Amino acid sequence: GAVVSQHPSWVICKSGTSVKIECRSLDFQATTMFWYRQFPKQSLMLMATSNEGSKATYEQGVEKDKFLINHASLTLSTLTVTSAHPEDSSFYICSVGGGSTGSGNTIYFGEGSWLTVV
Amino acid sequence: GDSVTQMEGPVTLSEEAFLTINCTYTATGYPSLFWYVQYPGEGLQLLLKATKADDKGSNKGFEATYRKETTSFHLEKGSVQVSDSAVYFCALSSANQAGTALIFGKGTTLSVSS
Repeated sequence: GAVVSQHPSWVICKSGTSVKIECRSLDFQATTMFWYRQFPKQSLMLMATSNEGSKATYEQGVEKDKFLINHASLTLSTLTVTSAHPEDSSFYICSVGGGSTGSGNTIYFGEGSWLTVV
Repeated sequence: GDSVTQMEGPVTLSEEAFLTINCTYTATGYPSLFWYVQYPGEGLQLLLKATKADDKGSNKGFEATYRKETTSFHLEKGSVQVSDSAVYFCALSSANQAGTALIFGKGTTLSVSS
């Protein structure tokens, strides 16, 4: 079964509204989760590292006030796209695991979330 | 910083042709290397990986060997099928105690026709 669950898979929202995407680690506790973004026909870019109980670490060029990350528990990280605009339309995907986590050095990706802002 | 460079596509092949997708990397230390595949409208799937020099990852007829001397991890398959049509991403890891983030190449689109 799935190790990482991401929800929703598809979401359409109006420009100016906010959208929340959830990433759940189902099989093990994850102090760290990673959020990526993929624009159409482009590669996946790491957006931020979500840290349980502390602030997320954002990659250069990613607006932390626009992409709010909350990692309040060891199994859940949320990404909220605030005041969404059409240019935020993208595929967002999370990952957990690797390193010395309980995943045994295996990285697991969520199913991804397709966001369309109209 | 660390980076991954892979050949630009699209790569168009006939069924049963030989496939090579080149991937080279720049990294400090000794990263793990991965190939991921993304089928149309779907998320990422791990295809294969190698964690140290000279390791060969293999899966579903695909192979890639971790070459430290050439900093390469080229993907090969001896006979492609139409069902192999997808986007292939080469990636390297940046591991720490709490988890692993990946640095991806730009992706190579493979289109196989019958």
